[in-house]
Amino acid sequence: AQSVSQHNHHVILSEAASLELGCNYSYGGTVNLFWYVQYPGQHLQLLLKYFSGDPLVKGIKGFEAEFIKSKFSFNLRKPSVQWSDTAEYFCAGLYGQNFVFGPGTRLSVLP
Amino acid sequence: DTEVTQTPKHLVMGMTNKKSLKCEQHMGHRAMYWYKQKAKKPPELMFVYSYEKLSINESVPSRFSPECPNSSLLNLHLHALQPEDSALYLCASSSTGVEQFFGPGTRLTVL
Repeated sequence: AQSVSQHNHHVILSEAASLELGCNYSYGGTVNLFWYVQYPGQHLQLLLKYFSGDPLVKGIKGFEAEFIKSKFSFNLRKPSVQWSDTAEYFCAGLYGQNFVFGPGTRLSVLP
Repeated sequence: DTEVTQTPKHLVMGMTNKKSLKCEQHMGHRAMYWYKQKAKKPPELMFVYSYEKLSINESVPSRFSPECPNSSLLNLHLHALQPEDSALYLCASSSTGVEQFFGPGTRLTVL
């Protein structure tokens, strides 16, 4: 079955700390991968996406993600988080027409 | 216009009511989606419309009835809902069938 998993349910960091959120996807042929962010009370916004090519993808707000095919992983990183990064982060994969979200990771950044 | 709009923002309905959720986009996207998101959970795909035709129905109960009157509009008709149907209902659209743009959602409460 097509699935996306995220390693952490809740991550708590202090400002300026580095961030890495884990994401693994199940094999399904060609998979397009995404990271979405949902700030409190706001709608889902696309942070970055991977279709093909360079496995290191840069997104908005200083986020990047690395696609590692051998590990079926697509981890999200940011070198220095800010309080405003507090949000829910969803990894997602598109298998054909089926868009599958991971369970989400809640990031809390302490000022 | 680069956004997906949804109305109403909030809806409270009884189990015998009939109501509709509306989604609109003017980006020329030909694929539109309905998702259901329960609190602290990822969005779950309900329906996909491609070129105004229903292409995916993820085994959604018949008390949810989607409609795509034209390429810019997507409705979700609700009838005889249950309290467990209370959730945030998200609409999304896509031009390529890959990257999706999400609306802010309608928060539905069923009494």
